[in-house]
Amino acid sequence: NAGVTQTPKFRILKIGQSMTLQCTQDMNHNYMYWYRQDPGMGLKLIYYSVGAGITDKGEVPNGYNVSRSTTEDFPLRLELAAPSQTSVYFCASSYRGGSSPLHFGNGTRLTVT
Amino acid sequence: ELKVEQNPLFLSMQEGKNYTIYCNYSTTSDRLYWYRQDPGKSLESLFVLLSNGAVKQEGRLMASLDTKARLSTLHITAAVHDLSATYFCAVSQGGSEKLVFGKGMKLTVNP
Repeated sequence: NAGVTQTPKFRILKIGQSMTLQCTQDMNHNYMYWYRQDPGMGLKLIYYSVGAGITDKGEVPNGYNVSRSTTEDFPLRLELAAPSQTSVYFCASSYRGGSSPLHFGNGTRLTVT
Repeated sequence: ELKVEQNPLFLSMQEGKNYTIYCNYSTTSDRLYWYRQDPGKSLESLFVLLSNGAVKQEGRLMASLDTKARLSTLHITAAVHDLSATYFCAVSQGGSEKLVFGKGMKLTVNP
């Protein structure tokens, strides 16, 4: 089982560029999440989804967009990248949302310069 | 707004010693999670605590939940170097699927 797969692992963007962080899971989980991790700040929820076609904002959604067209995929779109978006991004999924632990991907390290 | 606080945020301890770390949260919730993260790695689930008084143990780690006090503890028994990592607690925001994380506690166990 691959679990939660994130691509790319590393990326450097220039200010103003856009990109999509890919996340796919093969566990047939309904719930999927995007978090960002900044040093010493824990993880902040960006967006989450409770099923295909349903998404909702987390704590820090500004500057990001998501879509959930299939159960497996939950891409995160960055429009007009800013230095403040330099972070490590984790995608996660779970079987029953808050009642089950999250399974995390290996993360994407993004630098915006 | 749900806030999750961990203390201490940094802990250096010797092998063989015991210690308890704390996770406090600000609003009612009945679900609390502990995760471990090794440097440069992803997060790994340690414990899921779903009710008041829940206690879970795995090896040298034991977690408990007191929903009335809005407090979870993670007790380390006879620490070993392999326990060195960052430990996060996370709490579900009542009635939603949002999981709010604490800032994490970086544990270093010295030989």
